[in-house]
Amino acid sequence: SQTIHQWPATLVQPVGSPLSLECTVEGTSNPNLYWYRQAAGRGLQLLFYSVGIGQISSEVPQNLSASRPQDRQFILSSKKLLLSDSGFYLCAWKGQDSGNTIYFGEGSWLTVV
Amino acid sequence: GQSLEQPSEVTAVEGAIVQINCTYQTSGFYGLSWYQQHDGGAPTFLSYNALDGLEETGRFSSFLSRSDSYGYLLLQELQMKDSASYFCAVENYGQNFVFGPGTRLSVLP
Repeated sequence: SQTIHQWPATLVQPVGSPLSLECTVEGTSNPNLYWYRQAAGRGLQLLFYSVGIGQISSEVPQNLSASRPQDRQFILSSKKLLLSDSGFYLCAWKGQDSGNTIYFGEGSWLTVV
Repeated sequence: GQSLEQPSEVTAVEGAIVQINCTYQTSGFYGLSWYQQHDGGAPTFLSYNALDGLEETGRFSSFLSRSDSYGYLLLQELQMKDSASYFCAVENYGQNFVFGPGTRLSVLP
């Protein structure tokens, strides 16, 4: 069966510090991968998505970046965090045989102080 | 542009039936999905409609009208554990999944 893992689960970072969130998917090949952000009590904002290794599409211009160094690995990064980067970050995947459905990881709570 | 609209809040009592509506405007459309999210947790998949009509899964049903760009999630025999946020989502031709703002459902005893 397919699983998705995302870490760290929670982190508190000072303004101006770097960020790295990692997500891996198991049990599937060539998945579409997604990074979403959710502010407290709000909806899901698509940040990046990838249809293959090294292929990244950005939906919202900001100080975040994403990379896909391996087929089932998706990384969200920032060189310098802003207070407005605080939120709940969710990685998601869609398999070639999972229909038109995406599945989410456990999420990462980021608080920038 | 792309947008989905949902009511922000819905309140109902245990055992009742509630309908959460979703209207959408997107660049391309493959289907409408529904997700449930409890406080502090990740969204979990509930249902998917690609064609017009009603899909039933236990206490939950979902409806789609492609001509009206409209769908709804129907929750029957409400239970306290159904208190959560519910999101509709559309997959567009860019293989993006665009989510609605979410509807917070409160189930009262």
